[in-house]
Amino acid sequence: DTEVTQTPKHLVMGMTNKKSLKCEQHMGHRAMYWYKQKAKKPPELMFVYSYEKLSINESVPSRFSPECPNSSLLNLHLHALQPEDSALYLCASSQDPGWNTEAFFGQGTRLTVV
Amino acid sequence: EDQVTQSPEALRLQEGESSSLNCSYTVSGLRGLFWYRQDPGKGPEFLFTLYSAGEEKEKERLKATLTKKESFLHITAPKPEDSATYLCAVAVRGATNKLIFGTGTLLAVQP
Repeated sequence: DTEVTQTPKHLVMGMTNKKSLKCEQHMGHRAMYWYKQKAKKPPELMFVYSYEKLSINESVPSRFSPECPNSSLLNLHLHALQPEDSALYLCASSQDPGWNTEAFFGQGTRLTVV
Repeated sequence: EDQVTQSPEALRLQEGESSSLNCSYTVSGLRGLFWYRQDPGKGPEFLFTLYSAGEEKEKERLKATLTKKESFLHITAPKPEDSATYLCAVAVRGATNKLIFGTGTLLAVQP
């Protein structure tokens, strides 16, 4: 099983709302990632969790707040977003944090900020 | 500077017309090269990992190869269901937990 599950699939939120994206994997992977993808562009790395600790923050604005409650779960808390934050948000996981093995992606959350 | 370039940007094939997609890279040290397929509005689907020059991997109509400067994804006798964006990503030695993605090749296979 190489499944990464993301919920919700679609989300529409106002600029004053607070919402959360969820990601789950049961492959025993020790690295988990959040990516942002705009239309016709490749995924852009936002955050990396390695052994449940935040190891990389790619200078992401504080209105995006990641959380890793345990080794299987990854959340992305959203607050006071801007319309330009509308994008496909992808979660991924890999067996080891050093890119010695491939990452598996979830199906993404399509976020629209109005 | 580490860089990954994919060509062509878009490719239109007739069903059964074989072709190749290219991923060229300039990096300080290759840890691994990954090929993904992405359908519109979906997450990337893992296809292949290649680690060293000369390595080849196959899956159904797809075959990935790797040299010291580039990787090719060969598509043999494609079908319309092979239509997707194909992404190449490179893990760079010394750059922990980072992938450098190419901009992708949009493949359309017409019946």
